[in-house]
Amino acid sequence: DAKTTQPNSMESNEEEPVHLPCNHSTISGTDYIHWYRQLPSQGPEYVIHGLTSNVNNRMASLAIAEDRKSSTLILHRATLRDAAVYYCILGDQTGANNLFFGTGTRLTVIP
Amino acid sequence: DAGVIQSPRHEVTEMGQEVTLRCKPISGHDYLFWYRQTMMRGLELLIYFNNNVPIDDSGMPEDRFSAKMPNASFSTLKIQPSEPRDSAVYFCASSWTAAENQPQHFGDGTRLSIL
Repeated sequence: DAKTTQPNSMESNEEEPVHLPCNHSTISGTDYIHWYRQLPSQGPEYVIHGLTSNVNNRMASLAIAEDRKSSTLILHRATLRDAAVYYCILGDQTGANNLFFGTGTRLTVIP
Repeated sequence: DAGVIQSPRHEVTEMGQEVTLRCKPISGHDYLFWYRQTMMRGLELLIYFNNNVPIDDSGMPEDRFSAKMPNASFSTLKIQPSEPRDSAVYFCASSWTAAENQPQHFGDGTRLSIL
């Protein structure tokens, strides 16, 4: 499985933007970049995914570097409900959505 | 949309007992996944099905673990006999096939404690 590297933890003030980085230097041409998050005592929740172009949805934005070796998940305005573990995952589009969850980044939102 | 439904939410049983975890995927989803989450190992994929057929069970830890999907709306993960080291949160997820990767939708999990 292609690996990703994320900081173990980050903090953000409430209502401030948050930029969660992810390095994936061994990404292949067919790998999508997925982001999931896991709130306390819940199952992981899909956030966003992309291949080459930046992506936006109601939850977040995904900025993908031109060489695709890194990406950044952007939460435009952090709320207390965004406190979670965020996972950056590479998924092969030719496969069956076989996702490898690493250790993720634990985001703490400070009121 | 009811989402992925898992039962029970919590299970506490004694070592050696049979444990059965249940999952109802989202209607219309062709893929079903079973994961296990522990503090030590994080979230691990155990097995996944496509159209009710097991495709990859390489993550199943031992022969004590078995999973079935008798129809498109139901799957079970069985542990027999159970051991204390099986204590974990077990998640079921489902996804829809499409040309692009489709997101996996997870249930709320079953917290299993083996005494």
